[in-house]
Amino acid sequence: SQELEQSPQSLIVQEGKNLTINCTSSKTLYGLYWYKQKYGEGLIFLMMLQKGGEEKSHEKITAKLDEKKQQSSLHITASQPSHAGIYLCGAHPNNAGNMLTFGGGTRLMVKP
Amino acid sequence: GAGVSQSPSNKVTEKGKDVELRCDPISGHTALYWYRQSLGQGLEFLIYFQGNSAPDKSGLPSDRFSAERTGGSVSTLTIQRTQQEDSAVYLCASSLAQRVYNEQFFGPGTRLTVL
Repeated sequence: SQELEQSPQSLIVQEGKNLTINCTSSKTLYGLYWYKQKYGEGLIFLMMLQKGGEEKSHEKITAKLDEKKQQSSLHITASQPSHAGIYLCGAHPNNAGNMLTFGGGTRLMVKP
Repeated sequence: GAGVSQSPSNKVTEKGKDVELRCDPISGHTALYWYRQSLGQGLEFLIYFQGNSAPDKSGLPSDRFSAERTGGSVSTLTIQRTQQEDSAVYLCASSLAQRVYNEQFFGPGTRLTVL
């Protein structure tokens, strides 16, 4: 079965600093998704990457997909307290789409 | 527009009791998923419904777990004879499923505590 490993597991940064979260798959990646979760809430969709080398940005968050390395990275520029939460990467276990397998999550705290 | 809704938001039950968790997907979404999120196991897939096709039950942890989706819309996840290890947040998601890869929209979850 596919496993997604996220690093780091937790991260504390000073407001204004940049940070990167990584997600590495044990198998071929089919559709890589990034979600954000705040305590007591559901998952909020951030971005989906499909093709190797693909890069997407939304506001100060950029995600990239390296198909060869079976890895995706999420980069936040000039972090703000509103970026705090748990970031989860998810991927389909096969190319049929459907359910997602998720990484263990990265807990981000941003100190004002 | 309305997102995915789940009820109840919190449920406390005694070991051995049955519980029902409800999910209302986004109108028009043909695909519906149940996931479970617990401290030790992270976020795990449970079951997937797509239109009128037979559901994919491959993630259900035991035969105490079952789910239905009536009329292609609302879904109910039932856990019989609850155990303490069933304590978790149960999340429901829905998607359009018109393409192979689709964003899944998640509900706020039901936090289940089994005493």
